[in-house]
Amino acid sequence: SQQGEEDPQALSIQEGENATMNCSYKTSINNLQWYRQNSGRGLVHLILIRSNEREKHSGRLRVTLDTSKKSSSLLITASRAADTASYFCATVLQGGSEKLVFGKGTKLTVNP
Amino acid sequence: DSGVTQTPKHLITATGQRVTLRCSPRSGDLSVYWYQQSLDQGLQFLIHYYNGEERAKGNILERFSAQQFPDLHSELNLSSLELGDSALYFCASSARTGGEGRETQYFGPGTRLLVL
Repeated sequence: SQQGEEDPQALSIQEGENATMNCSYKTSINNLQWYRQNSGRGLVHLILIRSNEREKHSGRLRVTLDTSKKSSSLLITASRAADTASYFCATVLQGGSEKLVFGKGTKLTVNP
Repeated sequence: DSGVTQTPKHLITATGQRVTLRCSPRSGDLSVYWYQQSLDQGLQFLIHYYNGEERAKGNILERFSAQQFPDLHSELNLSSLELGDSALYFCASSARTGGEGRETQYFGPGTRLLVL
């Protein structure tokens, strides 16, 4: 079963705008990760945030984590057409194995 | 390029058949994970091997099995195939060192299986 639920399911913006995607999860986690998938291809790891961290940055990416609300957000600033992809959050459960539990993803379209 | 390779890229077969998917992890990575991605189920964890031993099982059907060999490559065997097994099958590997590097999983390009 899915652990994470991304919101929105689809997002369409113009180049240069910021894109925000949200992820909610159900059980306690060890860490939360965001992945990108270009159409039908492999997943690319973007960023990992641990349960004791609140915010993390990587280039144009900003991730926040609120463990009290069991939610995370991914912000992509100054988006580009090349950012068009599906974005998934994945959690590593506390006390569990290292497997990733994925949400259903947000499909982001950045229009030139 | 993640450094994880998967073969074949595409596979078309018939119901009732058996196929083998192959994965080579990044150099030095001891962990291999298999995931299935389908339209209705999304991305689902199947199984995790670490240095040749099974570490965790997820939503893996009894018709499916996997193994990791001494050279660390892994194979996923799917038998008595059904239409519903059509999906993208990914393997991922993770580093053997501790900390964040160990938890980041690097995904291969996937094998697209179509069962007719």
